[in-house]
Order: sequence, then structure tokens, then C-alpha cells
Amino acid sequence: EPEVTQTPSHQVTQMGQEVILRCVPISNHLYFYWYRQILGQKVEFLVSFYNNEISEKSEIFDDQFSVERPDGSNFTLKIRSTKLEDSAMYFCASSDSGVYGYTFGSGTRLTVV
Amino acid sequence: AQSVTQPDIHITVSEGASLELRCNYSYGATPYLFWYVQSPGQGLQLLLKYFSGDTLVQGIKGFEAEFKRSQSSFNLRKPSVHWSDAAEYFCAVGAGAGNNRKLIWGLGTSLAVNP
Repeated sequence: EPEVTQTPSHQVTQMGQEVILRCVPISNHLYFYWYRQILGQKVEFLVSFYNNEISEKSEIFDDQFSVERPDGSNFTLKIRSTKLEDSAMYFCASSDSGVYGYTFGSGTRLTVV
Repeated sequence: AQSVTQPDIHITVSEGASLELRCNYSYGATPYLFWYVQSPGQGLQLLLKYFSGDTLVQGIKGFEAEFKRSQSSFNLRKPSVHWSDAAEYFCAVGAGAGNNRKLIWGLGTSLAVNP
């Protein structure tokens, strides 16, 4: 069964550093998403991406965040200058039909120290 | 505002017992509703979804859920729980227009299964 692959599974970074979280969506999917889950809190929507542009972003997705689909296969989330409160599990998802059928990756646990 | 409430943070059941996990939503239009499961170290796996039609939907692993508009609920059920069902269960509603909707999530219910 096709999978969404996220790397790394766990990343530790120092506050103020830039991080890039990588995702390889399912190859024929057109819709891409990032969500995050801070420990003990709800999963939160960050951003959706379709047709090479952001479709929607949440209030969390400020200027420190950016997404890119650099080569037609990867879908990356960049945090420019990490803060302690960015520590969370970040989930990538892709879909061929929008909300009708997300497939999630296993997540990247980001720890900012 | 759109929201999802899962009233039970943690539930323990015995293997073989029946299970019902509660989910209530707040959404102005016809909701798109989902249940996801997350096992330790795994991603979020879709169990089942409801968009329209029959209000009782069947999912994978023997799960089902019933949409009750009058109660704004979408409770997940399983007649006989297996030890492998121990996991975190999330209810979500698809919010927005068209098919490119974001998911709004409940806090999750952690299920433990006693042998």
C-alpha cells in the first residue's frame, strides 16, 4: 500500500535554528498538508497546498513557516527560527481527493532545546 | 466556531468487551466526519468517514460509527475489542468548502485493553 514518508522521525534542534521537515507524498496525490500536535494538545492544521501554492494556512503558520514542493516529489516544511513552543509532532498528509482521503505519514517529532 | 469534543480522555475495556467512543462536533453545515487511530510510533490511520447517505458507516478493523445529526454526534463502536485495538483514537471534522478541507480534531481518547 502506498505510504507517505516523513524524515527524520525525530529531530532535536537548538532554539533559533532553522529546521526543514521532509515529506514524500504518495506519487499521484495532488493535495498536501501539514499538521502538528503539541504533546497533550489537539492535532492542529498548519497549511494546505494544491496546484503549487498554499490553499489555506492557519494562524499558527506565520512568517517563520514556509512550505515548498521543490522537485515534484518532496514536500517540505521549513521553520526559519525555531522557538521552544515549536516542539511538537509534525504530520504530513497527502490526498488525491482532498478531504475525502488523506494519507498521513508517521510524523516527525521536533524537539527544540 | 467549529470544534470537536471527545469527552473521554482515557478508556479501559476488557478484551472481548464492546466499545463505544464518543464524539460530538460543532459545525454549521453538513459535516464531513472522520475517525482516525494512532498506534504508538505510527501515523494517523483512517478508520472510517461519513460524508452523506447512510448514517451508519462501516470502517476497517471491525469498527463502525453512527452519525446522529440531532445529537451532533459521531460515536465509534466495536462489538468485541481485541488487544491490538489499544491505541489513541481521534475524531475529526472536515471544515471549509469544496473538497480541499482542513481537519479539525478532537483531543483524542486513549484506549487500553485488559487481557
